[in-house]
Amino acid sequence: GAVVSQHPSWVICKSGTSVKIECRSLDFQATTMFWYRQFPKQSLMLMATSNEGSKATYEQGVEKDKFLINHASLTLSTLTVTSAHPEDSSFYICSARPGALNTEAFFGQGTRLTVV
Amino acid sequence: GIQVEQSPPDLILQEGANSTLRCNFSDSVNNLQWFHQNPWGQLINLFYIPSGTKQNGRLSATTVATERYSLLYISSSQTTDSGVYFCAVEYGNKLVFGAGTILRVKS
Repeated sequence: GAVVSQHPSWVICKSGTSVKIECRSLDFQATTMFWYRQFPKQSLMLMATSNEGSKATYEQGVEKDKFLINHASLTLSTLTVTSAHPEDSSFYICSARPGALNTEAFFGQGTRLTVV
Repeated sequence: GIQVEQSPPDLILQEGANSTLRCNFSDSVNNLQWFHQNPWGQLINLFYIPSGTKQNGRLSATTVATERYSLLYISSSQTTDSGVYFCAVEYGNKLVFGAGTILRVKS
């Protein structure tokens, strides 16, 4: 299957700082990537859809200014958590498809963010 | 929006036992996937199955799109099968996840 790589796997940061998470499609191009958030013992919730060369589409209730998404190339999307607070601590996972709609989605390894 | 319900929420099996996990969804979908989330959080793709039946080793899946459900069968379970199993449906341009089934296989 296709490979999606996410970096870093885990990060600890201080309150008030910003953290950038990278998501790369290693063996295919992705015009669209997706960012999810997962709290302990819960399911994955879609945060936003990242579109190459244009603005991301955010789900209802997700703060655009707090979770900055940039999709500057067909193989890289980044999620920046700005002015992080302890309540932002979570598991963040990205996803991409090696094709258009109705194709299989593949996920990165996830990033565990802890804000202290 | 669409509702995706998985059952059972929790399942404990003795090694070697078989099990069936179910995923119901409330509207027509473009596709459906099953995943296994390992203890480190990685989502492992099990099946991409908008309809029909597929098999991969001890695992198989069946989706009946007209009746809006999918089943994941695990045969001869092993301790390494433990983890959380998610189904996710493509609705519009988005993958919507169910709440998951937590499986624990005891040796």
